[in-house]
Amino acid sequence: DTGVSQNPRHKITKRGQNVTFRCDPISEHNRLYWYRQTLGQGPEFLTYFQNEAQLEKSRLLSDRFSAERPKGSFSTLEIQRTEQGDSAMYLCASSDAWHNEQFFGPGTRLTVL
Amino acid sequence: TQLLEQSPQFLSIQEGENLTVYCNSSSVFSSLQWYRQEPGEGPVLLVTVVTGGEVKKLKRLTFQFGDARKDSSLHITAAQPGDTGLYLCAGPDNTDKLIFGTGTRLQVFP
Repeated sequence: DTGVSQNPRHKITKRGQNVTFRCDPISEHNRLYWYRQTLGQGPEFLTYFQNEAQLEKSRLLSDRFSAERPKGSFSTLEIQRTEQGDSAMYLCASSDAWHNEQFFGPGTRLTVL
Repeated sequence: TQLLEQSPQFLSIQEGENLTVYCNSSSVFSSLQWYRQEPGEGPVLLVTVVTGGEVKKLKRLTFQFGDARKDSSLHITAAQPGDTGLYLCAGPDNTDKLIFGTGTRLQVFP
């Protein structure tokens, strides 16, 4: 297993465009988390899944954001009508249901022009 | 709301010096994790401490969990330039999502 992977690593888009990011967790992990990190800050929780069920969403996740994990494996995070304030590093992490240790992917750096 | 505060926020030292980073909260955590993050990359898990008073060592890094499980410290002995990075503590809330500390940015000069 090569760990958590995320694609793309970098995305530059114009304001108003839609973007989609993908996360592939560690294969035996049934929990998947999305976080957002801005420069100089620690990551902030966005949402998490246990298998295919989305169990919690942060108030940070406006209605322009949607996340899915249709088969309980990979997940996608879509941002519609991007705004400059969406520019950040989007991090994905996974864990199993028995331990609180979360392993992070390399992140997707989003820049909205 | 559970919060984790780290100090110092920034640390700039010479190679060979020792340093300690602190992670404090007014809330009890079931465990605390320490991560190191390099620019443009995701956080990498260093250690998890679970038991109050627990001490874990990872080469030149020593991690301690407070007796009351409200605080933790990371001590680095004889820092090296490769230790440079953002150090983050994090603990799970009651729904297991991680609450992250404010981070300590360490720069070690050769």
